[in-house]
Amino acid sequence: SQQGEEDPQALSIQEGENATMNCSYKTSINNLQWYRQNSGRGLVHLILIRSNEREKHSGRLRVTLDTSKKSSSLLITASRAADTASYFCATDSGGGKLIFGQGTELSVKP
Amino acid sequence: GAVVSQHPSRVICKSGTSVKIECRSLDFQATTMFWYRQFPKQSLMLMATSNEGSKATYEQGVEKDKFLINHASLTLSTLTVTSAHPEDSSFYICSARDWQGASNNEKLFFGSGTQLSVL
Repeated sequence: SQQGEEDPQALSIQEGENATMNCSYKTSINNLQWYRQNSGRGLVHLILIRSNEREKHSGRLRVTLDTSKKSSSLLITASRAADTASYFCATDSGGGKLIFGQGTELSVKP
Repeated sequence: GAVVSQHPSRVICKSGTSVKIECRSLDFQATTMFWYRQFPKQSLMLMATSNEGSKATYEQGVEKDKFLINHASLTLSTLTVTSAHPEDSSFYICSARDWQGASNNEKLFFGSGTQLSVL
């Protein structure tokens, strides 16, 4: 079953702009992770934020987590054409498995 | 980081045949691997959790006789789609965790996926 809902489903921006994607989930979690997927490929882990953390940074990525609202956001700053991909949030509620959201398809135009 | 290798990357088969997909952890041991299925422009749906040396745990609605999973070693899990039909056409992806690796090891490492097309 899919827990996460992401919005927007699709996002198109110009190079240099910031891209923000949101994820909501339903159950309590141990951590929330963001992954990137290029078309027809496997997923690549971007960043993990634990349930007791509120914000985390990694390079041009900034992730926030609001456990009271059961939501997270991923911000990509100064986007590049190479950032074009699908982005998925995934929740870890224990037991080892991740449940993925619906994804946001990001298109960055040069 | 850890590497997960998945083969084949693409397979086309006739309806009624069986297809085996391999997932290998190349530089770490994976006692648990996960198999996902993805339809075009949709999310990943967890199919089953593959456990080394024991039976796989299937998610609700996934037919275990249809999707046979074998995890015979610490580095190899296989998914066999038996008697494939056109509705089984999909993108199948495996993943694993490197529990012996560095910190932040809750993340998954993914294979590159297998695009199955059943004619």
